[in-house]
Amino acid sequence: GQNIDQPTEMTATEGAIVQINCTYQTSGFNGLFWYQQHAGEAPTFLSYNVLDGLEEKGRFSSFLSRSKGYSYLLLKELQMKDSASYLCAVGDYKLSFGAGTTVTVRA
Amino acid sequence: DTAVSQTPKYLVTQMGNDKSIKCEQNLGHDTMYWYKQDSKKFLKIMFSYNNKELIINETVPNRFSPKSPDKAHLNLHINSLELGDSAVYFCASSQVGTGGHNEQFFGPGTRLTVL
Repeated sequence: GQNIDQPTEMTATEGAIVQINCTYQTSGFNGLFWYQQHAGEAPTFLSYNVLDGLEEKGRFSSFLSRSKGYSYLLLKELQMKDSASYLCAVGDYKLSFGAGTTVTVRA
Repeated sequence: DTAVSQTPKYLVTQMGNDKSIKCEQNLGHDTMYWYKQDSKKFLKIMFSYNNKELIINETVPNRFSPKSPDKAHLNLHINSLELGDSAVYFCASSQVGTGGHNEQFFGPGTRLTVL
């Protein structure tokens, strides 16, 4: 089975940086995904890590350490539109999602 | 152009009724999924089909029955609806791409309310 933990809520100021941590315990590992979900909308893909290290994509970066069962999503230069829930998910075809971290960006 | 579409967007019904949710994707993907997202925002896989063949069947009451008439469509039929079935149901599709990963594209969701 999969056990995925991430903080419930985070608040940050516009222009700041926020780091969302995710720890997981899995019976097998095929990759780790981060999805963004705005209130009332569908999740959308942000990033994928399968090897250790940092993947950078514009203002968003994701890091993975397989030995520690740990990942983080880094959001830089926060904008109001980044206020959303961020979901950590582990797996391949069968994704197990964490409960999501609601990020609120304040002016 | 809508990539993954679902109908209806909202569904309000009485306990005990039978209802269906339809999903279509125009991305040419081979794999489709149904997820349930409850009031605590927990997104949980229910079923997955690959080329019309069931490949994931989680512990879901047998009142829920998926049907895939072709690889672009995956419908969900629910019998004898219960209060606990109230949730948002998301359809998704995927295809392993050149990046080697199975990015899933989600539909807009169907908010089911059982009274």
